[in-house]
Amino acid sequence: EPEVTQTPSHQVTQMGQEVILRCVPISNHLYFYWYRQILGQKVEFLVSFYNNEISEKSEIFDDQFSVERPDGSNFTLKIRSTKLEDSAMYFCASSDPGTGIAEAFFGQGTRLTVV
Amino acid sequence: GEDVEQSLFLSVREGDSSVINCTYTDSSSTYLYWYKQEPGAGLQLLTYIFSNMDMKQDQRLTVLLNKKDKHLSLRIADTQTGDSAIYFCAERKNGGSQGNLIFGKGTKLSVKP
Repeated sequence: EPEVTQTPSHQVTQMGQEVILRCVPISNHLYFYWYRQILGQKVEFLVSFYNNEISEKSEIFDDQFSVERPDGSNFTLKIRSTKLEDSAMYFCASSDPGTGIAEAFFGQGTRLTVV
Repeated sequence: GEDVEQSLFLSVREGDSSVINCTYTDSSSTYLYWYKQEPGAGLQLLTYIFSNMDMKQDQRLTVLLNKKDKHLSLRIADTQTGDSAIYFCAERKNGGSQGNLIFGKGTKLSVKP
């Protein structure tokens, strides 16, 4: 069964450093998303991406964040100048617009720890 | 703003039914979802219900929707130890893009043998 894969599974970075979280969405999907879950809190929507541009972003997704689809298979989330409060589990997801219910398939997540 | 609330823990015995409850605030939500997260894994869509439905059954899963009370529940019949996981209720944000979902904190279901 096709799946969304994320790398790395765990990333530790120093405060102020830049990190890039990587995702390979399901190959025929056209919508891509990033979510995050701070420990003990809710899964929060960050951004959706379609047709090579951001289609929607939340208040959390400020100038510190950017997304990119650098080639036909990868979808990345870049966090510039990381802060302690960026420590969270980051989930990538993708969906097929032809599916009316918009079933989003999620990856297993990348745990980001900022020290 | 929109919010989704659910209890954090539920413990049942194997073979019993589990009922996980959720309340939401956005009465205009079109789709409501239940996701399952097993340890170390991503979020897996279990089932969904469209807002014009009251009930949906899918094998051992039954979803009940009470729009008046903005209450959603997931019933798992004949709960097995393999059902132990965190279950997330989610609604699609009104006017949002396809994948803009608002999640609850998740209910951790523990199934005792």
